[in-house]
Amino acid sequence: KNQVEQSPQSLIILEGKNCTLQCNYTVSPFSNLRWYKQDTGRGPVSLTIMTFSENTKSNGRYTATLDADTKQSSLHITASQLSDSASYICVVSARSGGATNKLIFGTGTLLAVQP
Amino acid sequence: NAGVTQTPKFRILKIGQSMTLQCTQDMNHNYMYWYRQDPGMGLKLIYYSVGAGITDKGEVPNGYNVSRSTTEDFPLRLELAAPSQTSVYFCASSWPPDRAQGAFFGQGTRLTVV
Repeated sequence: KNQVEQSPQSLIILEGKNCTLQCNYTVSPFSNLRWYKQDTGRGPVSLTIMTFSENTKSNGRYTATLDADTKQSSLHITASQLSDSASYICVVSARSGGATNKLIFGTGTLLAVQP
Repeated sequence: NAGVTQTPKFRILKIGQSMTLQCTQDMNHNYMYWYRQDPGMGLKLIYYSVGAGITDKGEVPNGYNVSRSTTEDFPLRLELAAPSQTSVYFCASSWPPDRAQGAFFGQGTRLTVV
């Protein structure tokens, strides 16, 4: 069964600190993995995309890693800011063989950055 | 740039009522999607479309219908609202799924069925 599991469910950190969010998946055949940021009351916004051959990708203070062998990804946030408070969703795309790949969403990690 | 626009943002329905959630995008994307997000759960795909005139079912299509008469618009219809349809609904659009940009999501419609 295709699944995406994220940990922790929620996290509270102080402004300026770093944190790492985890994503484990059992999706096959794997196409790509994306991290989305979802602010409260808004739709998700794409942060990064990683394909099978990519190990690390950065987007400003966000760095995503992918280990395709262990089927794990992490999202590292450096020097956190209050605006980083949001839900971070890991989304894995499975090749469906049809017109569109199947997207499997994790339930997200709710991050709260406190002053 | 408007992106993906959903209306309404909030709605309360009585059991058995019908309504249409509107979604429009101005990015000329071929792919459009409707998801629902229940508390503590990941997004679930209701319906999707790969172009005007083409729609297909996702994971949880029961109780919903869609149409795609134009590239821009992808309305979601609830015919007989049930409490189980209380959720936040997101419309999204994208280029083919393997493109780097990912999907663009609307702001969501919070629907309560009482």
